[in-house]
Amino acid sequence: DAGITQSPRHKVTETGTPVTLRCHQTENHRYMYWYRQDPGHGLRLIHYSYGVKDTDKGEVSDGYSVSRSKTEDFLLTLESATSSQTSVYFCAISGQGREAFFGQGTRLTVV
Amino acid sequence: GQQLNQSPQSMFIQEGEDVSMNCTSSSIFNTWLWYKQDPGEGPVLLIALYKAGELTSNGRLTAQFGITRKDSFLNISASIPSDVGIYFCAGLSGAGSYQLTFGKGTKLSVIP
Repeated sequence: DAGITQSPRHKVTETGTPVTLRCHQTENHRYMYWYRQDPGHGLRLIHYSYGVKDTDKGEVSDGYSVSRSKTEDFLLTLESATSSQTSVYFCAISGQGREAFFGQGTRLTVV
Repeated sequence: GQQLNQSPQSMFIQEGEDVSMNCTSSSIFNTWLWYKQDPGEGPVLLIALYKAGELTSNGRLTAQFGITRKDSFLNISASIPSDVGIYFCAGLSGAGSYQLTFGKGTKLSVIP
């Protein structure tokens, strides 16, 4: 398995609270991604990073921000969680921006 | 944005049967990837394809990169119960893009 650790694995939070999800890799890969997975929608890209402090928006970036201050860590922040952000979040990494390797996911419930 | 149409959405097969699924798009892709996802887990990469016409195998799995670069196919031979899961295709258009586009998945059920 690719060395990817997501934390926490499960979280329940209240509407309006900030939430930060962490992705940590030990592969020294350049590219890191955050996806969300919802029934009927498959995997949708939220944000991605192509280097330290280099990030860009994906398909569903509204309400999310990211930061990458070190190669190994990519943080996803929900500034003010809403029920529509209840989902399973996956981090992925890629060495050359082609094959992506996924973490085990974080199940987030916003109540 | 780009879309991938993956079919079938679901399928039920008998153990030992062969399985075929495909992914099509109106856009050209330079890379095709196939993933499998088990319940509660992240997607796992099965096969990667980089050239039009390429045919690649991984055990009982065989995938092909379509000649038109707008489609890809995955075949599973002699299915077994552990093949159960959701299979996703993903495409990369290249030209400086590092964003994978995913199909919505094919849910495979194997009847022993």
